[in-house]
Amino acid sequence: NAGVTQTPKFQVLKTGQSMTLQCAQDMNHEYMSWYRQDPGMGLRLIHYSVGAGITDQGEVPNGYNVSRSTTEDFPLRLLSAAPSQTSVYFCASRRGDGNQPQHFGDGTRLSIL
Amino acid sequence: GQSLEQPSEVTAVEGAIVQINCTYQTSGFYGLSWYQQHDGGAPTFLSYNALDGLEETGRFSSFLSRSDSYGYLLLQELQMKDSASYFCAVSGTGFQKLVFGTGTRLLVSP
Repeated sequence: NAGVTQTPKFQVLKTGQSMTLQCAQDMNHEYMSWYRQDPGMGLRLIHYSVGAGITDQGEVPNGYNVSRSTTEDFPLRLLSAAPSQTSVYFCASRRGDGNQPQHFGDGTRLSIL
Repeated sequence: GQSLEQPSEVTAVEGAIVQINCTYQTSGFYGLSWYQQHDGGAPTFLSYNALDGLEETGRFSSFLSRSDSYGYLLLQELQMKDSASYFCAVSGTGFQKLVFGTGTRLLVSP
């Protein structure tokens, strides 16, 4: 099992550029989430999804869009990159409700110049 | 909304026991989880408490008091490899969201 796969692992963007961070899971999990991690800030929830076609906002959704057209994939789109979006982004999935272990991808390290 | 508080850093020596506390505020509560993250790595699941009391998994135990909105992670027989960041997380209102605390960095010295 590959688990949760994120691509790319590293990316450098210029301010104003757009890009999509990819996330795929092969565990048939219903729930998927995107987090960003900044030093001293822990993991902050950006967007999450409870199934194909259903998404909702987390704690810090501004500047990001998501969609969930299939169970497997949950891409995160940066609409117009800003230096404040420099961070490590983690995608995660889990089988069901909050008591199930959440599986994380290896992260995407994104720098905005 | 939800908020969690943890100490920013804890230090201990090999073989010792350490407790990492977590207090939370949430409208609606379904459980408290703990995750471990080594530098440069991804978080990995350690434990989950939905009911009051102690859950034991090997050298790690997790405790929850719902009336006090408080939990802790207890690490016994500390090893150097336990040096990592530890995050508590709550699933609260809406049930689907899992919100994390800011993490506690544990430094284990010889």
